[in-house]
Amino acid sequence: EVHLLESGGGLVQPGGSLRLSCAASGFTFTNYGMTWVRQALGKGLEWVSGINDSGDTTYYADSVKGRFTISRDNSKNTLFLQMNSLRAEDAATYYCAKFISDGYIYYGMDVWGQGTTVIVSS
Amino acid sequence: NFMLTQPHSVSESPGKTVTISCTRTSGSIAGNSVQWYQQRPGSSPTTVIYDDNQRKSGVPDRFSGSIDSSSNSASLTISGLKTEDEADYYCQCYDSGNLYWVFGGGTKLTVL
Repeated sequence: EVHLLESGGGLVQPGGSLRLSCAASGFTFTNYGMTWVRQALGKGLEWVSGINDSGDTTYYADSVKGRFTISRDNSKNTLFLQMNSLRAEDAATYYCAKFISDGYIYYGMDVWGQGTTVIVSS
Repeated sequence: NFMLTQPHSVSESPGKTVTISCTRTSGSIAGNSVQWYQQRPGSSPTTVIYDDNQRKSGVPDRFSGSIDSSSNSASLTISGLKTEDEADYYCQCYDSGNLYWVFGGGTKLTVL
């Protein structure tokens, strides 16, 4: 069974940093692009960042570009999101998800984790 | 960048059929695949439909997806509504020009 398990969320002060992890199992991790999607409390889904299967191509939403860094360790089947210079508006539940691909582009998500919550407050 | 516009909420009775729309504000709806995600209260999203009209394995055939170029919109139709279908539904499309994954604002489905 495909499974994604996020961790690393918590309370952080504005301007602080946090590193999220997503442990993957049940599929060949090295064959799939991965992504982070967040959801502020009571709000909708917002795409945050994505990475290709080998980890050499990354994608970012404008709202996090220059502050967040996505990476992966294919030897450990783990996805990461390093979040720096955190702002109040970054507070959300962060979901990792496995990309769907047609062989050319990653066009959607087919498996989601249970999420990890980030609170940004002084 | 384009946006995907969904109705804020819809409601229907058990056993009936409901359709949720998702309108692309610019560019062709047929230009990139549309996905639909279900999020029940207190749970993470799950994928219902991918590539416009493909049901993910395990999703009941009561769920179907389609696109309509004339209205530049996608639709998620749920027939034989059950109370367990009550959830938020999000459409999503890839913006290949800007390398961005766009979500609609979500539609709250109430089954009453």
